[in-house]
Amino acid sequence: DTAVSQTPKYLVTQMGNDKSIKCEQNLGHDTMYWYKQDSKKFLKIMFSYNNKELIINETVPNRFSPKSPDKAHLNLHINSLELGDSAVYFCASSPPGYNEQFFGPGTRLTVL
Amino acid sequence: DQQVKQNSPSLSVQEGRISILNCDYTNSMFDYFLWYKKYPAEGPTFLISISSIKDKNEDGRFTVFLNKSAKHLSLHIVPSQPGDSAVYFCAARDDSQGGSEKLVFGKGMKLTVNP
Repeated sequence: DTAVSQTPKYLVTQMGNDKSIKCEQNLGHDTMYWYKQDSKKFLKIMFSYNNKELIINETVPNRFSPKSPDKAHLNLHINSLELGDSAVYFCASSPPGYNEQFFGPGTRLTVL
Repeated sequence: DQQVKQNSPSLSVQEGRISILNCDYTNSMFDYFLWYKKYPAEGPTFLISISSIKDKNEDGRFTVFLNKSAKHLSLHIVPSQPGDSAVYFCAARDDSQGGSEKLVFGKGMKLTVNP
C-alpha cells in the first residue's frame, strides 16, 4: 500500500543518454512535484503539476520534460544526460489546500 | 542564495535529553513552515508544521517555535530517542506566486541520538 512510489530506485547511465523516472501516487492527491537533491544536499523543486497541468517550472533546462498522463502519475524524462544531472530525484504529492507534501523514496541517478 | 538556512550540519544528543534544531529564513513572504525527517535511502516524511500566525505548535514529543521578527524557527524534541536519529529538513512555503504550494528547503541537519 505504498503511497508515493518511484521507479527505478537506482539508475546508472552514460552521458548523452535519455532516461525516464516514473512516479505514481495512490493517495488521490491533485498536485504532484519533482525535486532534485544535489551533492550539496539541497532539496530543490523542479516542477509541480496540478491535475495534469504544469503550475511550477523552476527554470529547469529544457532537457528535463515532465509528463503527467493522469493526476496519479508524474513522470520525468531527461534528454542528453550530463554529469551534473547526477543527483537524487524525489517525487512528491499533496492534497488540495494542504501544505504538507508526501514524498516518494527517491531515485538515485548517476551519470558516468 | 539560501532562503532557508540550517547552519549546523549535525547534532549529537544523549537519549532522554532535549534536541533543539534551528532554522533561519530570509524571505518575509514565507507564511508556513514545516519540518521533515529523512532516514537514509528513504524520502522525507512530514513531521510537524506551523503557520506564521502562530508562535508555537506541539505534537507529542515535538514542538516547533516560530519567532517571526527574528525569522527563526526551532524544533524541540523531548525526550529524544535513538529512533529520532535522522536528517531533519526545515522547509518554508513561498506564497509569492499565489496559489502554488512551493516549498523551499534547508540543506538539512543530521541528528544522532545516542543510547
